[in-house]
Amino acid sequence: DAGITQSPRYKITETGRQVTLMCHQTWSHSYMFWYRQDLGHGLRLIYYSAAADITDKGEVPDGYVVSRSKTENFPLTLESATRSQTSVYFCASSEPAYGPKTQYFGPGTRLLVL
Amino acid sequence: DAKTTQPNSMESNEEEPVHLPCNHSTISGTDYIHWYRQLPSQGPEYVIHGLTSNVNNRMASLAIAEDRKSSTLILHRATLRDAAVYYCILRGTGSARQLTFGSGTQLTVLP
Repeated sequence: DAGITQSPRYKITETGRQVTLMCHQTWSHSYMFWYRQDLGHGLRLIYYSAAADITDKGEVPDGYVVSRSKTENFPLTLESATRSQTSVYFCASSEPAYGPKTQYFGPGTRLLVL
Repeated sequence: DAKTTQPNSMESNEEEPVHLPCNHSTISGTDYIHWYRQLPSQGPEYVIHGLTSNVNNRMASLAIAEDRKSSTLILHRATLRDAAVYYCILRGTGSARQLTFGSGTQLTVLP
């Protein structure tokens, strides 16, 4: 199916474990983004990528690692999960740099760190 | 990106029009006005965008003030499925970087 998908949709893990959240898009969009959304906060950018092998930090990057070896995939890794990383994570992709740059969001991954 | 101001919450009756306001007094000449919405337990969803002229699409209309310092998202006939948080966001024409989400307007639609 065309679009943007995230997996897993729900994840429970323990403090200190490594967790990887997957994001896949079928539009060949250049830009991809990871946001987190916590109760009482709007969406905050973690990392973004302008193209394969090009990534950059957003507002709240600490404790996260990203990679982008292929245009269509943008995994987010929590190297050693902490309770403060309990959140809902949204991946998004965007058209190229010209134009109004609408972003398309995935359904989210709900992560609980015990 | 310039700042936007929206009411925290609004209510509407089902099948009536809804006008969601947004103030953006520091908007620059090249900023697009985007609206996204987030339904419960879902990711944000693009609604509409505009630069200077009013815009219509299948979801909504966007009315932009002549001085561009404010805009209004219009849902012509609200349904229960339109209950969501609506975000007004300004985007420049530079690189496709992140969206900066404010707190948005929580729209409640009453049956």
